[in-house]
Amino acid sequence: DIQLTQSPSFLSASVGDRVTITCRASQGISSYLAWYQQKPGKAPKLLIYATSTLQSGVPSRFSGSGSGTEFILTISSLQPDDFASYYCQQLNTYPLVAFGGGTKVEIK
Amino acid sequence: QVELVESGGGVVQPGRSLRLSCAASGFTFSDHDMHWVRQAPGKGLEWVAVIYFDDSAKYYADSVKARFTVSRDNSKNTLYLQMNSLRVEDTAVYYCARNYRGLIDPFGMDVWGQGTTVTVSS
Repeated sequence: DIQLTQSPSFLSASVGDRVTITCRASQGISSYLAWYQQKPGKAPKLLIYATSTLQSGVPSRFSGSGSGTEFILTISSLQPDDFASYYCQQLNTYPLVAFGGGTKVEIK
Repeated sequence: QVELVESGGGVVQPGRSLRLSCAASGFTFSDHDMHWVRQAPGKGLEWVAVIYFDDSAKYYADSVKARFTVSRDNSKNTLYLQMNSLRVEDTAVYYCARNYRGLIDPFGMDVWGQGTTVTVSS
């Protein structure tokens, strides 16, 4: 099974900060990686798929990069609406998929 | 609009069964693989099961294999999750989600329900 490790698991940041979240896979997953945002009590929302493609309607301050085993989600200028938890997901072994452990972004 | 609505959650004793439903609307249900994903209280997301668009295949996480069964009725635009031999550790919010793909490649899950809560407790 492919394991995904996200870091950090918790992040404290201020509005306007540049934020990066890393997702490492235990083996290569090509570009089959997605990122989700989840707010408390709500369902996850797809932000980015295929490593770097923004889902429709997602603000351009979000970006994704990487390949193989290391992937990064970047928020270029953190906004109040961005305080949430973020999860990566690998789809290289579809239909068997897996999520990373999550990163909670809180207000400093 | 495109929507998924789960139902069927509740409080159940260990060892008992429960069936969840997910009603789809606003899109051609029979065109999409469908997933169940769960989230235990205060924990992360855990993929549970997937069923192909045409019901030709089903796959499960090891944690639920042989206890849970995913099914669908394309004539009713409804996805199901039959959960048997429930354990305390199955306590979670259960989400159904639509698979999103390109011509060949899987992209992720682009539509999610609001979730239904399952509590397994004596």
